[in-house]
Amino acid sequence: QSVLTQPPSASGTPGQRVTISCSGSSSNIGSNYVYWYQQLPGTAPKLLIYRNNQRPSGVPDRFSGSKSGTSASLAISGLRSEDEADYYCAAWDDSLSGHYVFGTGTKVTVL
Amino acid sequence: QVQLQESGPGLVKPSQTLSLTCTVSGGSISSGDYYWSWIRQPPGKGLEWIGYIYYSGSTYYNPSLKSRVTISVDTSKNQFSLKLSSVTAADTAVYYCAIHTDWFDPWGQGTLVTVSS
Repeated sequence: QSVLTQPPSASGTPGQRVTISCSGSSSNIGSNYVYWYQQLPGTAPKLLIYRNNQRPSGVPDRFSGSKSGTSASLAISGLRSEDEADYYCAAWDDSLSGHYVFGTGTKVTVL
Repeated sequence: QVQLQESGPGLVKPSQTLSLTCTVSGGSISSGDYYWSWIRQPPGKGLEWIGYIYYSGSTYYNPSLKSRVTISVDTSKNQFSLKLSSVTAADTAVYYCAIHTDWFDPWGQGTLVTVSS
């Protein structure tokens, strides 16, 4: 049911920069904010980025978000072993009277 | 700091109704500061938003589940609940409750519900 498309996997070595894309449409990313969640193995998702590029208190500035048109990206700079997790983008979708949609998810592996 | 905890049966038979409760601590549902959402995640798969409720009882559901979902609130117990009817194996998932503003934060730890006879 996901209408936001992410690559299934991404990887990098410690210290590298990794970027995850999130592709949507005019009814979701194109007209609403994008959010990013990090899900460590066996745990609940945690808010990582809100309103396209804002970091909640406590989230390292190694994580950054951006949005352009109907796509968004999450960048992780200075990759660390504890960043190995699943990452999901999300946005409100104005179609079908409106509903929240999540991305397909990207598994980040630290080599 | 507000915390959420899901509870309910871990096994439901096909065609029956799944019922879960989310207990809120460290804050009051009646404050009116937030919406309260349910989200699910099938094993090994992605996230799906189910719907939300406001303390007044107003609700909003994912159109894909709307015909089977009921979310209710009990402000006296500081809880909100999910009922999903006519379940099938496809409804097997970890069910999370979460505070919903523009975003979801925080989340409960989640509870696995398996649909099986």
